[in-house]
Amino acid sequence: ETGVTQTPRHLVMGMTNKKSLKCEQHLGHNAMYWYKQSAKKPLELMFVYSLEERVENNSVPSRFSPECPNSSHLFLHLHTLQPEDSALYLCASSQGGGGLQETQYFGPGTRLLVL
Amino acid sequence: GENVEQHPSTLSVQEGDSAVIKCTYSDSASNYFPWYKQELGKGPQLIIDIRSNVGEKKDQRIAVTLNKTAKHFSLHITETQPEDSAVYFCAASKNTGTASKLTFGTGTRLQVTL
Repeated sequence: ETGVTQTPRHLVMGMTNKKSLKCEQHLGHNAMYWYKQSAKKPLELMFVYSLEERVENNSVPSRFSPECPNSSHLFLHLHTLQPEDSALYLCASSQGGGGLQETQYFGPGTRLLVL
Repeated sequence: GENVEQHPSTLSVQEGDSAVIKCTYSDSASNYFPWYKQELGKGPQLIIDIRSNVGEKKDQRIAVTLNKTAKHFSLHITETQPEDSAVYFCAASKNTGTASKLTFGTGTRLQVTL
């Protein structure tokens, strides 16, 4: 185990549903990340939070809404998704500070299917 | 922005043979290069990393080499075992002052056959 947990592990939702993905890290890190992993594509960085402040938003559609209430928890709120949003959503954390401690530790991911 | 290319996309080796995966990057300011292994149903797990102030790093059967001039780095796995079968990702990043920003390659599916 890496110290990063994600729930749920699997999620099926319709295009009109609203759901949330949860990530929790037990490593004392200050930075957290959301990635999207689709078949045959590189991992796509979606959002970065450092000390609970969003520092990166990689042109992600507004139907994805992140929330970081504290340095240990990260949420991804989903609404009116499209079938092409079906993918594995990965959460990661790192020490933060942008220095040499850049190692990111990943959770197991949430497999999302949008019908 | 940074662009990372990874080859090959699939690699099949016999148990005991060596496997080599190669990556190139575009941003000369990148200074940190991790390698991740992803098994089925799991998230990527860091297996080895290298920083730009060294040219080679080894950890048991795994080694990584870095050529900053040519902007490429490689993963070497010796004496491969069936449990090495997985998808391997390279990545590159640079200091940002707040949090790291990794750019990943497209992955290499390694199959170790008996």
